[in-house]
Amino acid sequence: AQSVTQPDIHITVSEGASLELRCNYSYGATPYLFWYVQSPGQGLQLLLKYFSGDTLVQGIKGFEAEFKRSQSSFNLRKPSVHWSDAAEYFCAVGDDYSGGGADGLTFGKGTHLIIQP
Amino acid sequence: ETGVTQSPTHLIKTRGQQVTLRCSSQSGHNTVSWYQQALGQGPQFIFQYYREEENGRGNFPPRFSGLQFPNYSSELNVNALELDDSALYLCASSLAGGAYEQYFGPGTRLTVT
Repeated sequence: AQSVTQPDIHITVSEGASLELRCNYSYGATPYLFWYVQSPGQGLQLLLKYFSGDTLVQGIKGFEAEFKRSQSSFNLRKPSVHWSDAAEYFCAVGDDYSGGGADGLTFGKGTHLIIQP
Repeated sequence: ETGVTQSPTHLIKTRGQQVTLRCSSQSGHNTVSWYQQALGQGPQFIFQYYREEENGRGNFPPRFSGLQFPNYSSELNVNALELDDSALYLCASSLAGGAYEQYFGPGTRLTVT
């Protein structure tokens, strides 16, 4: 069964500093990987996705992520955070539905990002 | 382009009652998935609907059921509500046929007392 681990429950970063959120996955085939952000009381917004090809993917709001197959990781990065980046961040792994049926997305438990002024 | 919408925003039910939550998919999307997000947790997959049929299911009991309509909108029904069913219920729409990204609605906050 597929699984996602986000080792950091909380991360505190100063405004303007760089950010890296960790994500490790367990999956038997080539994974389809996603990062979502959730503001308090809101739904999830897709930041970026990896399906295949270039292992460094760019997303919205200045975020990027790098897929490293050898480390089973898909870490999210941002060079300079803004106070508005404070939110909950979820890494997720998905299946290729072309084989029939759907297992949905499997999410990690999330990392709560706190921005210090 | 209209995003994913859900109704109601909040509701409170009593243990043992039944509830129906509604979702309208994003324009052009033909697949709807439902997730349950307990407080402090990541979303958990309940099931997915494609062409008005259940296309996949997570580890949820049969009292969680759904429907998809010809316009691709969907309902989630939960019977015999339990206290542990209190959660944020998220609907996501996507295009079938591959690992297309899912776009989420704002959710319905269900409280069971």
